[in-house]
Amino acid sequence: DAKTTQPNSMESNEEEPVHLPCNHSTISGTDYIHWYRQLPSQGPEYVIHGLTSNVNNRMASLAIAEDRKSSTLILHRATLRDAAVYYCILRDFDNAGNMLTFGGGTRLMVKP
Amino acid sequence: DAMVIQNPRYQVTQFGKPVTLSCSQTLNHNVMYWYQQKSSQAPKLLFHYYDKDFNNEADTPDNFQSRRPNTSFCFLDIRSPGLGDAAMYLCATSHRGQHQPQHFGDGTRLSIL
Repeated sequence: DAKTTQPNSMESNEEEPVHLPCNHSTISGTDYIHWYRQLPSQGPEYVIHGLTSNVNNRMASLAIAEDRKSSTLILHRATLRDAAVYYCILRDFDNAGNMLTFGGGTRLMVKP
Repeated sequence: DAMVIQNPRYQVTQFGKPVTLSCSQTLNHNVMYWYQQKSSQAPKLLFHYYDKDFNNEADTPDNFQSRRPNTSFCFLDIRSPGLGDAAMYLCATSHRGQHQPQHFGDGTRLSIL
């Protein structure tokens, strides 16, 4: 899987939007961009994924740059329960084994 | 709810004493994975099964083995645990396909005495 770069940590206030950036300058044309998060003492949880177009689901939105070299996970209204480590992962078309290669992730802290 | 279940949540074993961790799923996914997550680190894939086909990561120690007797169950066997094997072990499942999300259990935290 291609490499991603994320800030080590970010802080947000409760009920405010949060924008979590991810750089993936070596992304290939067939790489999907996946986001997972890991709450304390739990396994990782799928958040969202996309290929080229922006994506929305009940948990978050994913904004993908036009050149696909970066993306941003958007939490529209942060809650205390959103405090977690957020991982941005690229998965390529030929990755038939479906492996996830986790990078360092961003630790999001949410202040009341 | 359909889910991935790992038992036990906490496991203690002695240095060198074999230990088995278990994972079951009700999602009927054909791929099952085992990850190792050490303290303050990201999860690292050990191996995965696509149906009954076993796929080992190149850097997974020989000490780690796995069994998948049927679609629903998968086991992680550590033959001779060392102190460095103390970690959280995560099981995950998915359908095959690079856009398919993985569903994780809450892990088994293994301690070595």
